[in-house]
Amino acid sequence: GNSVTQMEGPVTLSEEAFLTINCTYTATGYPSLFWYVQYPGEGLQLLLKATKADDKGSNKGFEATYRKETTSFHLEKGSVQVSDSAVYFCALSAMNSGYSTLTFGKGTMLLVSP
Amino acid sequence: NAGVTQTPKFQVLKTGQSMTLQCAQDMNHNSMYWYRQDPGMGLRLIYYSASEGTTDKGEVPNGYNVSRLNKREFSLRLESAAPSQTSVYFCASSEIPRQGAGELFFGEGSRLTVL
Repeated sequence: GNSVTQMEGPVTLSEEAFLTINCTYTATGYPSLFWYVQYPGEGLQLLLKATKADDKGSNKGFEATYRKETTSFHLEKGSVQVSDSAVYFCALSAMNSGYSTLTFGKGTMLLVSP
Repeated sequence: NAGVTQTPKFQVLKTGQSMTLQCAQDMNHNSMYWYRQDPGMGLRLIYYSASEGTTDKGEVPNGYNVSRLNKREFSLRLESAAPSQTSVYFCASSEIPRQGAGELFFGEGSRLTVL
């Protein structure tokens, strides 16, 4: 079946540090890949996505590249801010009876200190 | 913009009690979903409704029922609550794109505690 594996957290960084959160996936076919972010006390919101191999999704300084050869979609940011503290979820699409649903990883908490 | 609205936001139940979580979206989306979020488990799909009039089981459907009341509303019912159903529940909706998966829009969550 489809699955997503992401690095366990928490990831603790100082402001302006470089961020990488690893994500690998197992899927049949050609899934779309997503990163969602959850701020404290809120629901998830889409951060970025990529729909085919070698696509790069980007938003708010975050980037991730769809690597089919390594089945990975690692999230990166060059300089994190305190406001980036949140839980980040990697996810992939899966087709069920002609409709798509998302399969999520377990989430990685990011804590950024001033 | 309201987006996806869930009620109630907090609920405490005793084992064996029943309750319904309500969800409504105002984005005219075809698809709606119920997920549960547990520490260290991420989000797991309980049920989804690809379009009005259809519902399908997700990864963890046991102990739950759903109703797609109309295009806007998708409710989740616990007939006999168990402590294992203590969780944060999220409703989400999406449009069906021509290819790939559509973005999911989430509600703020409903925190349920079963004693």
